[in-house]
Amino acid sequence: QKEVEQDPGPLSVPEGAIVSLNCTYSNSAFQYFMWYRQYSRKGPELLMYTYSSGNKEDGRFTAQVDKSSKYISLFIRDSQPSDSATYLCAMSDNYGQNFVFGPGTRLSVLP
Amino acid sequence: KAGVTQTPRYLIKTRGQQVTLSCSPISGHRSVSWYQQTPGQGLQFLFEYFSETQRNKGNFPGRFSGRQFSNSRSEMNVSTLELGDSALYLCASSLSRVNEQFFGPGTRLTVL
Repeated sequence: QKEVEQDPGPLSVPEGAIVSLNCTYSNSAFQYFMWYRQYSRKGPELLMYTYSSGNKEDGRFTAQVDKSSKYISLFIRDSQPSDSATYLCAMSDNYGQNFVFGPGTRLSVLP
Repeated sequence: KAGVTQTPRYLIKTRGQQVTLSCSPISGHRSVSWYQQTPGQGLQFLFEYFSETQRNKGNFPGRFSGRQFSNSRSEMNVSTLELGDSALYLCASSLSRVNEQFFGPGTRLTVL
């Protein structure tokens, strides 16, 4: 079992749809949870990070962490074609010594 | 504020050669991490430097090495290149904790 698993995708949705992206993990030491967006031929861009369990909202993006289930999600409301990218979850322990990325989910938002 | 810069952006080498990649972090950031990204393996952590010291290391062979200078700029070196080293090499910087990293555009290395 991989340390971090992510919905494989690819995922295609119509413009305006609500998108749900998910990751599961096995290491209970993970405390920091991040979501990155990566456009083709670019480096990953940090979208959101959360500490421990709970929700965090930033504009059209909401990150949820459920440590009891070892499950994290990123929701995108009113999706736009510009949201088309690969989304990577990432997580680390309290000291950042074990920093792991998920394999990524490619999202296409169709106009 | 300028972002993370990496040079060169593209590189073509042949098997057996060595290569050095460079990364300039965001001003004030002291932590620099390197990652290898391939379609098959995704993003894999190579190593992290903080204040010129290697603080963390991933599971890569000793052919992969790095260093950090007093101005926080970092270099990564790969010796005796293999075909499987073809990848996008990404550098990320942060103030002090690897969890809030900002990535550069990457160096795409092709080994022939």
